[in-house]
Amino acid sequence: QVQLVQSGAEVKKPGASVKVSCKASGYTFTSYDINWVRQATGQGLEWMGWMNPNSGNTGYAQKFQGRVTMTRNTSISTAYMELSSLRSEDTAVYYCARFSTPGYYNVGWFDPWGQGTLVTVSS
Amino acid sequence: QSVLTQPPSASGTPGQRVTISCSGSSSNIGSNTVNWYQQLPGTAPKLLIYSNNQRPSGVPDRFSGSKSGTSASLAISGLQSEDEADYYCAAWDDSLNGVVVFGGGTKLTVL
Repeated sequence: QVQLVQSGAEVKKPGASVKVSCKASGYTFTSYDINWVRQATGQGLEWMGWMNPNSGNTGYAQKFQGRVTMTRNTSISTAYMELSSLRSEDTAVYYCARFSTPGYYNVGWFDPWGQGTLVTVSS
Repeated sequence: QSVLTQPPSASGTPGQRVTISCSGSSSNIGSNTVNWYQQLPGTAPKLLIYSNNQRPSGVPDRFSGSKSGTSASLAISGLQSEDEADYYCAAWDDSLNGVVVFGGGTKLTVL
């Protein structure tokens, strides 16, 4: 079955960087974009950006431009999201999600989602 | 402050029908499709409705979605205790070079 499995929880100090991995299985990794969404404790969902595993092309939400980098390793069907210059407000659960669309991006959806990775930023 | 507006809470008794609204604008719901996600306590979100009103395989037909103009709705009929969860609407937004926007989420309580 289609599955995304993420790396484990991380604790980082302010100013540091974190890199979260997302391993795909059950489908052709390069055929679907991977998106990243985060959720602070008790809060809603916040979209961070997308990556095309085939080309490596990316698109980031303006809020994260300059701080986020999304990459992939196609040989092991794994996507990565690295967030730098961490601050306490970045404490959240980070999800990867496979993006499906019958055509253009504006008619697509996320399915499935990874199990989430808790990133805690604390001094 | 979420781009899409949802009521923070909703409730119903078992067997009842509940609707959750999602209000947006011409740059998001008004011109793109709406998806709904269900997040059970302590778990990752799960796709519930896609392309305004389509159910993925495995989602009971008690769940239905609709869209009109710049608003969308999720309806749950025959409410069950296991439906108690957070529900999020989402859509692509054509502003700012294109982003995905979410509603703030609605916590559904089954009384």
